Amino acid sequence: AQSVTQLGSHVSVSEGALVLLRCNYSSSVPPYLFWYVQYPNQGLQLLLKYTSAATLVKGINGFEAEFKKSETSFHLTKPSAHMSDAAEYFCAVTMGTGNQFYFGTGTSLTVIP
Amino acid sequence: DAGVIQSPRHEVTEMGQEVTLRCKPISGHNSLFWYRQTMMRGLELLIYFNNNVPIDDSGMPEDRFSAKMPNASFSTLKIQPSEPRDSAVYFCASSLLGRDRGNYGYTFGSGTRLTVV
Repeated sequence: AQSVTQLGSHVSVSEGALVLLRCNYSSSVPPYLFWYVQYPNQGLQLLLKYTSAATLVKGINGFEAEFKKSETSFHLTKPSAHMSDAAEYFCAVTMGTGNQFYFGTGTSLTVIP
Repeated sequence: DAGVIQSPRHEVTEMGQEVTLRCKPISGHNSLFWYRQTMMRGLELLIYFNNNVPIDDSGMPEDRFSAKMPNASFSTLKIQPSEPRDSAVYFCASSLLGRDRGNYGYTFGSGTRLTVV
């Protein structure tokens, strides 16, 4: 079975500070991993995805994530937070044998001016 | 491409009434998913279709919920009769299931906010 765990349902950072949102996955085979962002009253948008190519994945809006197999992690980072980054972030996993995604419970990011 | 289109954006209905939510996936996508999002439960997969065929409906909460996909460009999620606990945001998403399964990610619609009073 596959799943993702997002540590910290709420994260607050100051504007300009490093953003780190944690995601750990559980999978018996190499997974595909994704980060999605949801702004208020909107649907989920794809930020970035890992599909067994480069372990460091760059996404939109300056975000990136690193796949670490030894730690079963796929943490999302951004060097400098911007007010517009305030949103809900979801980590998701899917397998090569199916198309169903499994989402984490989400992390709400607050950016403090 | 206009993306995944859902209608209506907001729906307020009385308990016991039938509710129909609609979704138009991205042209060329062959998989369609219905999710429900609430504060308590987060994102829940209700059902998904591949090539218009329902593949997994184990997330459909009960018989009051039904979903159809009569063709590649349209799907409905129906609740009959509706209850207050059905109040949530319902998302439709589509994707392309190819040789690299799961490689493409989902594209989500903007959701339908359902309130049952």
